[in-house]
Amino acid sequence: SQQGEEDPQALSIQEGENATMNCSYKTSINNLQWYRQNSGRGLVHLILIRSNEREKHSGRLRVTLDTSKKSSSLLITASRAADTASYFCATRAPEYGNKLVFGAGTILRVKS
Amino acid sequence: GAVVSQHPSRVICKSGTSVKIECRSLDFQATTMFWYRQFPKQSLMLMATSNEGSKATYEQGVEKDKFLINHASLTLSTLTVTSAHPEDSSFYICSARDLTGSFGNTEAFFGQGTRLTVV
Repeated sequence: SQQGEEDPQALSIQEGENATMNCSYKTSINNLQWYRQNSGRGLVHLILIRSNEREKHSGRLRVTLDTSKKSSSLLITASRAADTASYFCATRAPEYGNKLVFGAGTILRVKS
Repeated sequence: GAVVSQHPSRVICKSGTSVKIECRSLDFQATTMFWYRQFPKQSLMLMATSNEGSKATYEQGVEKDKFLINHASLTLSTLTVTSAHPEDSSFYICSARDLTGSFGNTEAFFGQGTRLTVV
């Protein structure tokens, strides 16, 4: 079964609103990463958070990590139409040979 | 950040033919590259790990004779889909990992992807 599961599967919001996506995983991890993918394109790295970190910020992005609950969240504040994309969490875990294992992804649509 | 260039971005081929996809790391040397497959509206599934100068390591269920991987230099890995069938149609993405820390907290860089359509 997949290491990472994300919810919601799809999210539709108005421009200016905040978007929150969640990711849960099963094993202990070295780090967790969030990526964005525009339709039919490659992946863009957003943020990496290590297992000993609890929160990281990058511009309008805020990522939290709760290792006790094996979960992470990605918050995009003041969303823009250009944020419309699929967002994936990915974990690097010893149990998976430290390979990058992706969650199912959340499709975000920001309406202008 | 670093650039990983994947070529071609789109390819259409006939059933039974072979298709080669290239993945190049432009800013760093990658001893290890990764090949993923992505079906529509689904996540990325790791197919294989490409190791420079040695054989690739394939994930369970991936046919190594079907998906030939060559990693002949520190900046180039190729994936060849042999005897392609319509069910091989998919989006293929490569990734190269930088272990030097030269690019801050970004450790994996992805190519733009290749949309393969087998007709």
